Amino acid sequence: QKEVEQDPGPLSVPEGAIVSLNCTYSNSAFQYFMWYRQYSRKGPELLMYTYSSGNKEDGRFTAQVDKSSKYISLFIRDSQPSDSATYLCAMGVNFGNEKLTFGTGTRLTIIP
Amino acid sequence: KAGVTQTPRYLIKTRGQQVTLSCSPISGHRSVSWYQQTPGQGLQFLFEYFSETQRNKGNFPGRFSGRQFSNSRSEMNVSTLELGDSALYLCASSVGTPFPYEQYFGPGTRLTVT
Repeated sequence: QKEVEQDPGPLSVPEGAIVSLNCTYSNSAFQYFMWYRQYSRKGPELLMYTYSSGNKEDGRFTAQVDKSSKYISLFIRDSQPSDSATYLCAMGVNFGNEKLTFGTGTRLTIIP
Repeated sequence: KAGVTQTPRYLIKTRGQQVTLSCSPISGHRSVSWYQQTPGQGLQFLFEYFSETQRNKGNFPGRFSGRQFSNSRSEMNVSTLELGDSALYLCASSVGTPFPYEQYFGPGTRLTVT
């Protein structure tokens, strides 16, 4: 079993819809959580990071962490065709340890 | 501020050869991490360098090695290439300390082993 599980999709939704992307993890030592967006033939781009359980909002994006359930989510409101990309969740253990463990990514397509 | 740069962007090698990839981090960043990305395994951590010292290492064979220079630029080397080494190799830089560790990725080097 992988430490981080992420549904690979693909996921297709109409423009303007709310998108929900999720990851589960098994390592309770993970302390901080990140979401990356990766366009085709590009490196991952950091979208958001959170350190504790709860919600964090940034524009149309909301990251949610539930450490008790070992479950994290990324919500995209008012989705746009430019949001079409692969979304990767990533998790880290502690300070001084830069290693991130990634999910395999969910490919998202927003249909105009 | 310039982003993370990686050279070369594309590389084709044959089995048994060795290859060196280069990464220049964002100015002021002292940590460079390397990842291998493949369709089947996703992103897997190779190693991380901070101030010229390897600080963390993933579960890859010794054929994969790296180093970091005093200007924080980093190189990774793969010796005795195998077909399975074909992948996108990404490097990411961060300030390295203190929290939070926001890692910024370069565009990657696409390595094809034939």
